[in-house]
Amino acid sequence: ETGVTQSPTHLIKTRGQQVTLRCSSQSGHNTVSWYQQALGQGPQFIFQYYREEENGRGNFPPRFSGLQFPNYSSELNVNALELDDSALYLCASSLVEDRGYTFGSGTRLTVV
Amino acid sequence: AQSVTQLDSQVPVFEEAPVELRCNYSSSVSVYLFWYVQYPNQGLQLLLKYLSGSTLVESINGFEAEFNKSQTSFHLRKPSVHISDTAEYFCAATNGGSQGNLIFGKGTKLSVKP
Repeated sequence: ETGVTQSPTHLIKTRGQQVTLRCSSQSGHNTVSWYQQALGQGPQFIFQYYREEENGRGNFPPRFSGLQFPNYSSELNVNALELDDSALYLCASSLVEDRGYTFGSGTRLTVV
Repeated sequence: AQSVTQLDSQVPVFEEAPVELRCNYSSSVSVYLFWYVQYPNQGLQLLLKYLSGSTLVESINGFEAEFNKSQTSFHLRKPSVHISDTAEYFCAATNGGSQGNLIFGKGTKLSVKP
């Protein structure tokens, strides 16, 4: 098992900019989810992709968007960054049949 | 809507003492339950999960949790903690639907003191 890897580990952006975060899913996992974890809070569900299509979305605005690729890697894109977007962004992959979610170490995004 | 409540934001204990981290969920449908651990500046690691079957589930490092449907609880316990157990613990739930996104509690910071 290769686990879930995320890049970059840390990122600093300016308000109004756009950012792309990347995730490589665990081998064989067909589902990827993204979560936002603000400081001192539990992770909040952003969206999930299954077989390259969005399969569910949390309470996040459309400027949060994503992609899943045929090799099950994934991207999270955030446009028009706001200060409140500063958080740890976690990617989790799973087999939809298994409920075994494997998390990456996250990308720490700071918006200044 | 489904929700998860962790009743204690911080739990300080001495090494080798027992500990219980409390978690309650609200759901009108069947639910799967999880405990994750997060060490400083790291992602989440799955500690244990309840999907079906025996209501008592165990992890490899001595933690256990019991699914109690009547009390809608999934409390995490360890009979004797170590310094290395110091971390933040998150309880999470998902329903039986195909979407299956996790709903997390706000976390409990466990501090084990010598």
